[in-house]
Amino acid sequence: EAGVAQSPRYKIIEKRQSVAFWCNPISGHATLYWYQQILGQGPKLLIQFQNNGVVDDSQLPKDRFSAERLKGVDSTLKIQPAKLEDSAVYLCASTSLWGTNGYTFGSGTRLTVV
Amino acid sequence: AQTVTQSQPEMSVQEAETVTLSCTYDTSESDYYLFWYKQPPSRQMILVIRQEAYKQQNATENRFSVNFQKAAKSFSLKISDSQLGDAAMYFCAYRSPPNSGNTPLVFGKGTRLSVIA
Repeated sequence: EAGVAQSPRYKIIEKRQSVAFWCNPISGHATLYWYQQILGQGPKLLIQFQNNGVVDDSQLPKDRFSAERLKGVDSTLKIQPAKLEDSAVYLCASTSLWGTNGYTFGSGTRLTVV
Repeated sequence: AQTVTQSQPEMSVQEAETVTLSCTYDTSESDYYLFWYKQPPSRQMILVIRQEAYKQQNATENRFSVNFQKAAKSFSLKISDSQLGDAAMYFCAYRSPPNSGNTPLVFGKGTRLSVIA
């Protein structure tokens, strides 16, 4: 089966600019996650979707970050305006409804804010 | 909230030797899942091994095995016959039981493993 697709692979922007990341999960996977991985740290959950609904966005900085999964398939994560501390890898992951076999991750987008 | 601690930021091992990566976690739940993921420079998280807390038997996958000590809340990964391709970041992760749907993975900070030829 095809993996989790993410784009772009790299992005460099200036602070206060906006940026968007795209994720297409494995076909049929109901649950989609966005993680932020700052250099030298483990991934931290930003938001979890179940189909097209938000399950958990408690750690999403909502003043600048937004995410949507309108049709319950692919998802977009946006940052506006970006700050220097947003420099990180943004990972998307998906899993089937009960997810007992683990999670499938994309290769992530490396964001550099200068 | 659950937390995962990896106390070894970096480890190294000679090729063909054995290395053990440590992980401890904190939870009040009795049923859960534990995972080890490998992250090479390509950045994609690759599942190495998983363990269900209700199973007493330690999981094994070829050269990879775990030592799961539920009472001590410890979940270490042993890599036998280390290969150059094993060099990567390794993350320990915890997941609550999916009683009401999927739950996210909680990750430790990772251990960078170097393999010396």
